[in-house]
Amino acid sequence: GAVVSQHPSWVICKSGTSVKIECRSLDFQATTMFWYRQFPKQSLMLMATSNEGSKATYEQGVEKDKFLINHASLTLSTLTVTSAHPEDSSFYICSARATGANTGELFFGEGSRLTVL
Amino acid sequence: KQEVTQIPAALSVPEGENLVLNCSFTDSAIYNLQWFRQDPGKGLTSLLLIQSSQREQTSGRLNASLDKSSGRSTLYIAASQPGDSATYLCAVNRGSTLGRLYFGRGTQLTVWP
Repeated sequence: GAVVSQHPSWVICKSGTSVKIECRSLDFQATTMFWYRQFPKQSLMLMATSNEGSKATYEQGVEKDKFLINHASLTLSTLTVTSAHPEDSSFYICSARATGANTGELFFGEGSRLTVL
Repeated sequence: KQEVTQIPAALSVPEGENLVLNCSFTDSAIYNLQWFRQDPGKGLTSLLLIQSSQREQTSGRLNASLDKSSGRSTLYIAASQPGDSATYLCAVNRGSTLGRLYFGRGTQLTVWP
């Protein structure tokens, strides 16, 4: 099946610093990628929809200036958590839909565990 | 707004049992429904995808059914094994933006030998 790779798988940073997470589709092109956040014992909540070559669409309540998304190519989207605070500690997961595919099936990365001290 | 509920929240069974995991959703106007498996601290593995026009999908020991009119889906796991232990997530796609999924909170399954 299609493979989505996330990097890093875990990161620890100090409060106030910025952290970048990469999401790559390894064997297919993805016009659209999605960023989710998952808190312990909770389900996945969509943060934003990332479209190649255009601005991301953010869900209500998600600060676009804090969570910067860049989708510069058909195989790479990045999420940058700016000025991170302890409440941003969470599990961030990206997903991708193959370009041209109309089944709506999504493929997910392995996730990135962010801990802000 | 689409809300997805999964019952039970947790399930602990001995090896070999046949299992039923339930998923319900409030808006029956869906494009498809997808079942995922999530191991602790890991991402999601897609198990089965059912399009809105389909009634069920099967893969090995897994069978998922969909009753769109009643807003329900069921995941059957036959002859459960300890390796099946994980959290199972149900997600629906409304189709307005293909790939935008609404997730349930999951059923945490433990299969003991």
